[in-house]
Amino acid sequence: ELKVEQNPLFLSMQEGKNYTIYCNYSTTSDRLYWYRQDPGKSLESLFVLLSNGAVKQEGRLMASLDTKARLSTLHITAAVHDLSATYFCAPTSGSRLTFGEGTQLTVNP
Amino acid sequence: DVKVTQSSRYLVKRTGEKVFLECVQDMDHENMFWYRQDPGLGLRLIYFSYDVKMKEKGDIPEGYSVSREKKERFSLILESASTNQTSMYLCASSSQLNLYKGQYPYEQYFGPGTRLTVT
Repeated sequence: ELKVEQNPLFLSMQEGKNYTIYCNYSTTSDRLYWYRQDPGKSLESLFVLLSNGAVKQEGRLMASLDTKARLSTLHITAAVHDLSATYFCAPTSGSRLTFGEGTQLTVNP
Repeated sequence: DVKVTQSSRYLVKRTGEKVFLECVQDMDHENMFWYRQDPGLGLRLIYFSYDVKMKEKGDIPEGYSVSREKKERFSLILESASTNQTSMYLCASSSQLNLYKGQYPYEQYFGPGTRLTVT
């Protein structure tokens, strides 16, 4: 059974700072997805990481995947308030995704 | 754009009632999913389906059933609602094929969610 662990679960950071969210998973998975959820809203796809060593960047967010270490990271550069949301990682298991608990990010002015 | 719609945004039902949650997607996706989301527990998979009339149990199927009579529609049924089924319910769909530019295999697209309260 695939288990997914994100840390930290809660992250409060100042605008302009950098930080990394970690996603560890327990069994082999060849692709991983990152989603964002704003309060009261549904999930929106952010990144799709399709292979070992994959790196994707969009604005101040960069995601990477190390399938050998079973680790994905979501790096935030120079955070701004608009990035405040909950971020989920989800490695695949067949056609299923298994979601982490989510990291609730709050960016303070 | 992929569109996944859910029949209600908010629903209030009484204990013991039969509850139907409907989900419709317009992108010809084979796979459809029902999750519930609770604070501190993330998203938990209730049931999924990868073809019409096919269904598979997820991690927490007890107290729920599903129906998929048409490819675009996936219904979640609470046979006898209980207060511990108060939750946010999210539907999603995906395809194992590259059907459309910008989509990826197995990338799930979510509906807006239904917040169900059982009193």
